[in-house]
Amino acid sequence: AQSVTQLGSHVSVSEGALVLLRCNYSSSVPPYLFWYVQYPNQGLQLLLKYTTGATLVKGINGFEAEFKKSETSFHLTKPSAHMSDAAEYFCAVTANSGGYQKVTFGTGTKLQVIP
Amino acid sequence: NAGVTQTPKFRVLKTGQSMTLLCAQDMNHEYMYWYRQDPGMGLRLIHYSVGEGTTAKGEVPDGYNVSRLKKQNFLLGLESAAPSQTSVYFCASRVGWTSSYEQYFGPGTRLTVT
Repeated sequence: AQSVTQLGSHVSVSEGALVLLRCNYSSSVPPYLFWYVQYPNQGLQLLLKYTTGATLVKGINGFEAEFKKSETSFHLTKPSAHMSDAAEYFCAVTANSGGYQKVTFGTGTKLQVIP
Repeated sequence: NAGVTQTPKFRVLKTGQSMTLLCAQDMNHEYMYWYRQDPGMGLRLIHYSVGEGTTAKGEVPDGYNVSRLKKQNFLLGLESAAPSQTSVYFCASRVGWTSSYEQYFGPGTRLTVT
């Protein structure tokens, strides 16, 4: 069984401020973790993912996330927000657990960037 | 490469009408998925397919049917539309043999049932 919790359905930051979007997961086997971004009226696209190896992963548009097994977290950060970062962000978890590998999505966090 | 495409982009149906949503991918992916997205609920899996000719139910399959007659196409059917099926529908595809690969999403179909 697996689940994802995204804390905060809406987050507002000022342009140039740190972006921190929180994601906690549960999984009975080693997880694969993903962050997707959805711009208005578009489909989801991959920002970054963790599979194995280095726990700090870098993605597109200056975003990065750190896999912390002890905290079961995979928070998304960006040092300096841009107006173009305004979007909805989804954390997702899956695992190779035999048979069909279900992907579980969080409920999303809408990021607002204030000029 | 077009990636994942969805047809149509928008549709308005009356209660009881039927329709088919088409998803096509040109990446030779084994896995394909249909999700619905509703405010505050994230993405919920309707049906999925792990290969040509195979389909399976997801979390919210009631009221929907699917078919995967060709590897590149995944069809989602609504036999008798209900207002509760008003939503944005996304198709996705993925390489199949390991779940470490990401999903590729289409642009979505916005369906309104009146």
